[in-house]
Amino acid sequence: SYEVTQPPSVSVSPRQTATIACSGDKLGARYVFWYQQKAGQSPVLVIHEHNKRPLEIPERFSGFKSGNTATLTISETQPMDEADYYCQAWDSRDMVFGGGTRLTVL
Amino acid sequence: QVHLQVSGPGLVKPSETLSLTCAISGSSIGSDYYWGWIRQPPGKGLQWIGSIYHTGNTYLNPSLRGRVTISVDTSRNQFSLRLNSVTAADTAVYYCARPKTTQTDYVGSYHDAFHIWGQGTLVTVSS
Repeated sequence: SYEVTQPPSVSVSPRQTATIACSGDKLGARYVFWYQQKAGQSPVLVIHEHNKRPLEIPERFSGFKSGNTATLTISETQPMDEADYYCQAWDSRDMVFGGGTRLTVL
Repeated sequence: QVHLQVSGPGLVKPSETLSLTCAISGSSIGSDYYWGWIRQPPGKGLQWIGSIYHTGNTYLNPSLRGRVTISVDTSRNQFSLRLNSVTAADTAVYYCARPKTTQTDYVGSYHDAFHIWGQGTLVTVSS
């Protein structure tokens, strides 16, 4: 079965840039989506179709893809950005989530 | 504003069937969107269960395909999940969700990312 891989954790200092990677076979040919999930809450879509943001998501959030790796970048990271982040892609009628990355804002 | 509300038993016995319903307000089950189920075991990541269109067209997680049924009820504006032969591994928070973009406007494969999420309900499988 298809898999997308994320680092389990990323740490960043406030106001610095956080980068979370997501890699998978032939990911370059697929749309990649990103979700944010804070403790005890439902996930929130932050990036869709590689690099589009829903209107309610701050411009600090951006998506990028190079080869088979997609990246979620959070600039000027704030304490409120501390959360789990999941990438997601489709493969042959199967929607696959990455294992999630816990972002800690130190 | 679209709102999704999951309802169903919070406790299911092993080998029995888990049944959940997602009631939709602010949108129609017959609109041009897929509707999906996602779950999250305690302390673990997200797992997609499946998605359904109002015509009945369905995408299902291959690892669950033999045990899961997703259906729509247009008269009640809701869709449902049934997962049979449950075990402790099926203990999870279950979410229902709707994608960001209509099928007409979405240019990718299958359907867009989930944008509208219900609040989630914990279902525990235990005797």
